[in-house]
Amino acid sequence: AQSVTQLGSHVSVSEGALVLLRCNYSSSVPPYLFWYVQYPNQGLQLLLKYTSAATLVKGINGFEAEFKKSETSFHLTKPSAHMSDAAEYFCAVRDAGGTSYGKLTFGQGTILTVHP
Amino acid sequence: GAGVSQSPSNKVTEKGKDVELRCDPISGHTALYWYRQSLGQGLEFLIYFQGNSAPDKSGLPSDRFSAERTGGSVSTLTIQRTQQEDSAVYLCASSLDVWGFEQFFGPGTRLTVL
Repeated sequence: AQSVTQLGSHVSVSEGALVLLRCNYSSSVPPYLFWYVQYPNQGLQLLLKYTSAATLVKGINGFEAEFKKSETSFHLTKPSAHMSDAAEYFCAVRDAGGTSYGKLTFGQGTILTVHP
Repeated sequence: GAGVSQSPSNKVTEKGKDVELRCDPISGHTALYWYRQSLGQGLEFLIYFQGNSAPDKSGLPSDRFSAERTGGSVSTLTIQRTQQEDSAVYLCASSLDVWGFEQFFGPGTRLTVL
């Protein structure tokens, strides 16, 4: 079974500082990996996805993530945090075959707080 | 165009009552997914549909939970004899098809069981 672990349930940064949200995955096959963001009282919005093309993936709002197979990681970064980045972030892995093809398995989420 | 919509946005019910949650996917999307988000369990997959069939129901927590989809569009998630542990936000998502990489999520239905 595939799984995702997000290290750190809460991350706090100052405005303008680097954002680093950690995600490690477990998968028996090459995975498809995603980062979603959830603002308060809203649904999930896709930030970026890795689908076995380029290992460095650029997403919306200045976020990017790098797929590192050797480390089974897919960490999310942004060079300079903005107040509007405050939200909860979820890493997810998608089943690549069988009857569960479309199913997303999510990490526990990381709440990002941005201080002025 | 319109995104995924869900109704009601909030539902408060008494323990033991049945509830129905509705999801309207994006027009033309053939795949539809239900997830549940709760404090204790995080985001969990419940069931997905490709067209009107459900190849994977593995995430439904008990036989009190059922879902259907008609006309390849609207889906209803039904919870019978609700329990307090059913309290959660129920999220619906749709994608162009099951191979579509992006699932578009609705705003969710917050269910509170008293």
